[in-house]
Amino acid sequence: GQNIDQPTEMTATEGAIVQINCTYQTSGFNGLFWYQQHAGEAPTFLSYNVLDGLEEKGRFSSFLSRSKGYSYLLLKELQMKDSASYLCAALDSNYQLIWGAGTKLIIKP
Amino acid sequence: GAVVSQHPSWVICKSGTSVKIECRSLDFQATTMFWYRQFPKQSLMLMATSNEGSKATYEQGVEKDKFLINHASLTLSTLTVTSAHPEDSSFYICSARFLEGDTGELFFGEGSRLTVL
Repeated sequence: GQNIDQPTEMTATEGAIVQINCTYQTSGFNGLFWYQQHAGEAPTFLSYNVLDGLEEKGRFSSFLSRSKGYSYLLLKELQMKDSASYLCAALDSNYQLIWGAGTKLIIKP
Repeated sequence: GAVVSQHPSWVICKSGTSVKIECRSLDFQATTMFWYRQFPKQSLMLMATSNEGSKATYEQGVEKDKFLINHASLTLSTLTVTSAHPEDSSFYICSARFLEGDTGELFFGEGSRLTVL
């Protein structure tokens, strides 16, 4: 079956760095997305990886290893507004998004 | 970046009535749009894939006669919740796929919160 695993909840301190891991098993693979979702709002796009390696975008970076079925989202210089759920989603061979349940990130002052 | 607009953002209706939600891609043509539903504290669940000019593909367990999807143009898809009941109260979100070469990025609408009394 198709499956995405990511931690349910993580806590970090303002100004610090946090890494949110995601492992996936899908029928075919056409890339991996990370989305940020604040409570009561729609998800917003953060990153898309289809090739192995690290993609950096400002304070956020995303890494993919296709051979390991593994990705992580790295958030640097954490700000209080980064408190949100972070959704990992893999695009399967039919271009359907397989979603993880999300990781709730709590930032403490 | 690309913009997807969803309307209405909030809707409250009486049980038994039908509600239509619109999803528009404002600055690109979307041959494929997706409709999701999210219950409180749960992840997004794909309801159906809407393809322009053809019938929608529904996920298992989603009643196609209850959730009518129409994708009449490359910029508009609509979801109609027919004979809505309180258990249909949820957050409905659409997304449109912006194709660039072989990859596609999804852009999400703002979401529509439906409350059925």
